[in-house]
Amino acid sequence: ETGVTQSPTHLIKTRGQQVTLRCSSQSGHNTVSWYQQALGQGPQFIFQYYREEENGRGNFPPRFSGLQFPNYSSELNVNALELDDSALYLCASSLSEVGGGGETQYFGPGTRLLVL
Amino acid sequence: ILNVEQSPQSLHVQEGDSTNFTCSFPSSNFYALHWYRWETAKSPEALFVMTLNGDEKKKGRISATLNTKEGYSYLYIKGSQPEDSATYLCAFFSMDSNYQLIWGAGTKLIIKP
Repeated sequence: ETGVTQSPTHLIKTRGQQVTLRCSSQSGHNTVSWYQQALGQGPQFIFQYYREEENGRGNFPPRFSGLQFPNYSSELNVNALELDDSALYLCASSLSEVGGGGETQYFGPGTRLLVL
Repeated sequence: ILNVEQSPQSLHVQEGDSTNFTCSFPSSNFYALHWYRWETAKSPEALFVMTLNGDEKKKGRISATLNTKEGYSYLYIKGSQPEDSATYLCAFFSMDSNYQLIWGAGTKLIIKP
């Protein structure tokens, strides 16, 4: 196991609602990335946080936002949920700012979100 | 738009046989290529991070090669075992990707006993 945990494991929401997903990084990791994986596709990068600041963002609208806390746990918030937001949401932690690049990422098991 | 392609999409292999599959990525501004294994109901697990052209990495029966000039990487599994059944994902990172890993859709490997 990677030591990265996510909660909840499953979630059902209705269109228009807001959701918060949580991630606890592996000890000592100061970088966390969030991904969305739709069925049959590879993970899509949402954003990355390094030492509590967002330092990279993929092609996702502003209603996707995040926070990273001093203990390096993090949250993904999605406002005004749409049906297309139904997906598996993964977080991954790594040791450095270039975590998405040359460093190994350690993934959590994901949160499966269903929007009805 | 940066794009990563993996082939084949799925693969059925007899136990004991060897197999390989491909990850294709843009050859410009290369920084790193990652391989991950993802078993059902588990977290994706890192296999390799490769940065140098011509690099070859090995982990047990699994190995990978990298050609950054032509933009491809091969993953090889020797003597497939049932526990190798998983989806194998590659991800590409470039100098100008804004900290973003670009992922392929994966190759789903099923080992038949």
